[in-house]
Amino acid sequence: RKEVEQDPGPFNVPEGATVAFNCTYSNSASQSFFWYRQDCRKEPKLLMSVYSSGNEDGRFTAQLNRASQYISLLIRDSKLSDSATYLCVVNRGTGGSYIPTFGRGTSLIVHP
Amino acid sequence: GAVVSQHPSRVICKSGTSVKIECRSLDFQATTMFWYRQFPKQSLMLMATSNEGSKATYEQGVEKDKFLINHASLTLSTLTVTSAHPEDSSFYICSARVGASNQPQHFGDGTRLSIL
Repeated sequence: RKEVEQDPGPFNVPEGATVAFNCTYSNSASQSFFWYRQDCRKEPKLLMSVYSSGNEDGRFTAQLNRASQYISLLIRDSKLSDSATYLCVVNRGTGGSYIPTFGRGTSLIVHP
Repeated sequence: GAVVSQHPSRVICKSGTSVKIECRSLDFQATTMFWYRQFPKQSLMLMATSNEGSKATYEQGVEKDKFLINHASLTLSTLTVTSAHPEDSSFYICSARVGASNQPQHFGDGTRLSIL
C-alpha cells in the first residue's frame, strides 16, 4: 500500500459545482497535512494546511480524520481557474525530522 | 513571504555534462530543503533531504554520487547532476521549509533538464 493515496481522476465538473477530493495515508504517526495545487508544467503551490478541527479558506474546506487516516478537500462554486492537479502532502515524523510524502495528485477540470 | 528561487529554469545539454541547479530561499532561512524529480504525468518523487551544514539524506534508489547535494548556508542548496544522461531528463524542483519541521514547504519554480 502506498503511503499516500489519491484518486487520480480526472474530475470533470461544470462551473459552479462542488467537488470533493479524498486522500488516505498509511502511517499513523503522520504529523501534519497539506493540500497543494500544481498547474501543468509548474511547481506546486501551497493551497492550505489541514488542521485537526478542520479549516476553511474562502471556497475551500479541508478536513482531517485521524481515526480513519484520511484528509479531504472540498471546493465550492468551482471556477475555471480551479482546473489543476491537487496534491495531498503528509509529513511523517522520523528520527526527529519530518519528511513530506506526496500523493500522485487528483486532476480537476472545470468546464464552462 | 516564503519565496524560493530556483535557477536555471531550463537546461539543455549534451550527454556526459554535469549540471548544477541552485535553490535559494529569498526572504527566510531554510534549515531544511528538499529536492524532487517529476517525470511527465507522474507524481513528485522526493530525491533527498538537505539540511544546512550536514550531509544530505537520500531516498532509497537515489544515487548520492550521481546527484550531489550541498547545503552550505541557510539560504542556499545546490543539486549537481553529474555526467548526465538522457534518462536524467526530468523536471527537478526544490523546496524549502520555514521554521518548525511540521510547517509547509514552499517550492522553487523548478528546472526543466533535457539531456541530448
